[in-house]
Amino acid sequence: EAQVTQNPRYLITVTGKKLTVTCSQNMNHEYMSWYRQDPGLGLRQIYYSMNVEVTDKGDVPEGYKVSRKEKRNFPLILESPSPNQTSLYFCASSKIAKNIQYFGAGTRLSVL
Amino acid sequence: AQSVTQPDIHITVSEGASLELRCNYSYGATPYLFWYVQSPGQGLQLLLKYFSGDTLVQGIKGFEAEFKRSQSSFNLRKPSVHWSDAAEYFCAGSAGGTSYGKLTFGQGTILTVHP
Repeated sequence: EAQVTQNPRYLITVTGKKLTVTCSQNMNHEYMSWYRQDPGLGLRQIYYSMNVEVTDKGDVPEGYKVSRKEKRNFPLILESPSPNQTSLYFCASSKIAKNIQYFGAGTRLSVL
Repeated sequence: AQSVTQPDIHITVSEGASLELRCNYSYGATPYLFWYVQSPGQGLQLLLKYFSGDTLVQGIKGFEAEFKRSQSSFNLRKPSVHWSDAAEYFCAGSAGGTSYGKLTFGQGTILTVHP
């Protein structure tokens, strides 16, 4: 089944403890992206990647890191999480030619 | 600055009534425009997209949207709403070209459907 898989789905952590949210897609998509969703703000793009080893900042990249070493994986790294990073995070991928983004189920992160 | 705005935070309609959700954009050139739907606790699903050509775009689930350059709008419509359409709807835009990957979402419109 074609899908975008995020792990974990739920995560509670404490300020300053490094964490990684994984994202994997099985559709051979070139493009992958991370978003955060906050009430009243819609989705805001954190980082995106057009292909392996190619990443670029979205609208809210501060406090986040990403890497794209393999086509299928695009992990989101919070090196020193803070409470203002408490949010619902979505990963998405698409074939560049089609520009139809497929979204994962989301990761709900709470930073205490 | 490039932006997408959804003026209505919450809309309530009766089942069977027509629906129009508003979306306004601000881009230098014609953007790529999208409508997504998010059901409670779910990820987002693409309803339709506009890149160029015919300004009336048909999507899934009976939705359509019309691109109006003169009004900088891309409103989503459905002639008869079903209770299962209750969800949050997001309009999104991208400048295309070298900015293909940078996608900006509106704030979302929550749709409530009364029986």
